[in-house]
Amino acid sequence: RKEVEQDPGPFNVPEGATVAFNCTYSNSASQSFFWYRQDCRKEPKLLMSVYSSGNEDGRFTAQLNRASQYISLLIRDSKLSDSATYLCVVNNGGGFKTIFGAGTRLFVKA
Amino acid sequence: DTAVSQTPKYLVTQMGNDKSIKCEQNLGHDTMYWYKQDSKKFLKIMFSYNNKELIINETVPNRFSPKSPDKAHLNLHINSLELGDSAVYFCASSMERLEQYFGPGTRLTVT
Repeated sequence: RKEVEQDPGPFNVPEGATVAFNCTYSNSASQSFFWYRQDCRKEPKLLMSVYSSGNEDGRFTAQLNRASQYISLLIRDSKLSDSATYLCVVNNGGGFKTIFGAGTRLFVKA
Repeated sequence: DTAVSQTPKYLVTQMGNDKSIKCEQNLGHDTMYWYKQDSKKFLKIMFSYNNKELIINETVPNRFSPKSPDKAHLNLHINSLELGDSAVYFCASSMERLEQYFGPGTRLTVT
């Protein structure tokens, strides 16, 4: 089993749609969780941290369920500029070992 | 001001050569990382350093040797380059194991 698994993509959605990405992790001792986005031929950029209480940043909502070892990202009112690969990230090893999921590709169409 | 910078951006070299990639961060972070992103776009951690000390070494061949002269710099030296080393190498930094900020990447091509 992979340490971090994400929904296989790609997701093709129209502008304005709501899209949800899921991620599971295998190490119950994982300490911190993030979503990053990566545009083609660019570096990953932090989208948001994920907290047990859930957190929201504009159109983006992240949720963490430690009991199920599950992380989610919800994007509302999708924009063309949301087209990217979304990476689920988990920190283990005292927080120094960062595990990236394989990523989910999102295409938002006009 | 670039927060995390890497040089060079592109590196084309022949098998068997030795090359170095440099990374600098001006964020005052205490932890730095090297990642490899292969042709399948999978991003995998190679090393992490905290306050200049090696914390994580993820079963990377010993042809790869990181060096951290100070907290703001983490360089990667690669000996005897192989075709399979072709990839994009990203440097990143963070404060106290929190959110990481990535450099623009170094695209290494070994011919």
